[in-house]
Amino acid sequence: DGGITQSPKYLFRKEGQNVTLSCEQNLNHDAMYWYRQDPGQGLRLIYYSQIVNDFQKGDIAEGYSVSREKKESFPLTVTSAQKNPTAFYLCASGDRASYGYTFGSGTRLTVV
Amino acid sequence: AQSVTQLDSHVSVSEGTPVLLRCNYSSSYSPSLFWYVQHPNKGLQLLLKYTSAATLVKGINGFEAEFKKSETSFHLTKPSAHMSDAAEYFCVVSDGTGTYKYIFGTGTRLKVLA
Repeated sequence: DGGITQSPKYLFRKEGQNVTLSCEQNLNHDAMYWYRQDPGQGLRLIYYSQIVNDFQKGDIAEGYSVSREKKESFPLTVTSAQKNPTAFYLCASGDRASYGYTFGSGTRLTVV
Repeated sequence: AQSVTQLDSHVSVSEGTPVLLRCNYSSSYSPSLFWYVQHPNKGLQLLLKYTSAATLVKGINGFEAEFKKSETSFHLTKPSAHMSDAAEYFCVVSDGTGTYKYIFGTGTRLKVLA
């Protein structure tokens, strides 16, 4: 079945560490997105990519980095520069034909 | 600029009674509009979408929404709530830049009482 896989489901980070969240899709979608979700704030866009080897900052990109070396993969690195990384992270993909996104099941990141 | 406002952060209904989740949007062009549902610690699932075809849109699990341009609204309804409908619901509008980017409302948490 086609879909988006995010891993791991739960992730713990120590202060000063970089961590990478995985997102893989087999829907053949051109565009992929990373959102951060905090209670009561809805979803905020971190980065998005419309094509391989290209990506753009979203509304809250500071402290995060991404790469898009393959169409299927869009990993997100949470760097030590992100001061408040504890949140639920959602990856999504989409294209013009499908309208709307398909979401992964999310990764909950906690700083310990 | 496009925006979306969900008018209620929390809604409580009794099982078997109607559900109404309200959403207003602002857009300078004819938008695409969506409703998504999120159960705890899960990703978002698409309930339904409006993309300039029929103004009354039917979705999964008995939900439907009506696009009303004159009221700039896209309210989500269901005739009879079920316990499994308890979740958070997001109203979403396309941002109009052709980049497939979407703008999310802050969510409405639906509670269903037995």
